[in-house]
Amino acid sequence: GQNIDQPTEMTATEGAIVQINCTYQTSGFNGLFWYQQHAGEAPTFLSYNVLDGLEEKGRFSSFLSRSKGYSYLLLKELQMKDSASYLCAVRNTGGFKTIFGAGTRLFVKA
Amino acid sequence: NAGVTQTPKFRVLKTGQSMTLLCAQDMNHEYMYWYRQDPGMGLRLIHYSVGEGTTAKGEVPDGYNVSRLKKQNFLLGLESAAPSQTSVYFCASTQRRGGETQYFGPGTRLLVL
Repeated sequence: GQNIDQPTEMTATEGAIVQINCTYQTSGFNGLFWYQQHAGEAPTFLSYNVLDGLEEKGRFSSFLSRSKGYSYLLLKELQMKDSASYLCAVRNTGGFKTIFGAGTRLFVKA
Repeated sequence: NAGVTQTPKFRVLKTGQSMTLLCAQDMNHEYMYWYRQDPGMGLRLIHYSVGEGTTAKGEVPDGYNVSRLKKQNFLLGLESAAPSQTSVYFCASTQRRGGETQYFGPGTRLLVL
């Protein structure tokens, strides 16, 4: 079957670093995406990994291990505006479909 | 460049009523998708289209129909709404099936009484 697991909620302090984990089991793999979604808004793209390793983009980094079916999103220098849900999503081999995890709600406190 | 737009933003229906949700994109994208998002669950794919005139079923297609008569528009229809279809509906589009991200519309909140 196809399954994506990520923690339901996390809390972190402003200025700190937080790591959001994602494990997946899918019938095929053609890339992993991370999206940010603020309450009441649409998801917006954060990162894309298709090969193993770390992709860095400003305060955000994403890591992928295809052999372990594992990814994480690393957020540095947390800001209050980073309070949002973070969605892990895997695109299937055909490239037409993307399976989404339920999302991790991140609360950033002062 | 408006990106992806959805109409309406919010709607209340009675059980058994029908309605059509409109998605439009001005980025000349080939692929378009309809998702629903419910509390505690991820985005679930309802139907998708890989080009004008083509549609295909996603994970949860029952109770919905779609049409893609023009490349820029993707319509989602509910023929006989049920309370289980209360949800937030997102449309998305992407250029191709590679590393291109999906661009999402602002969502339509639907309440079925």
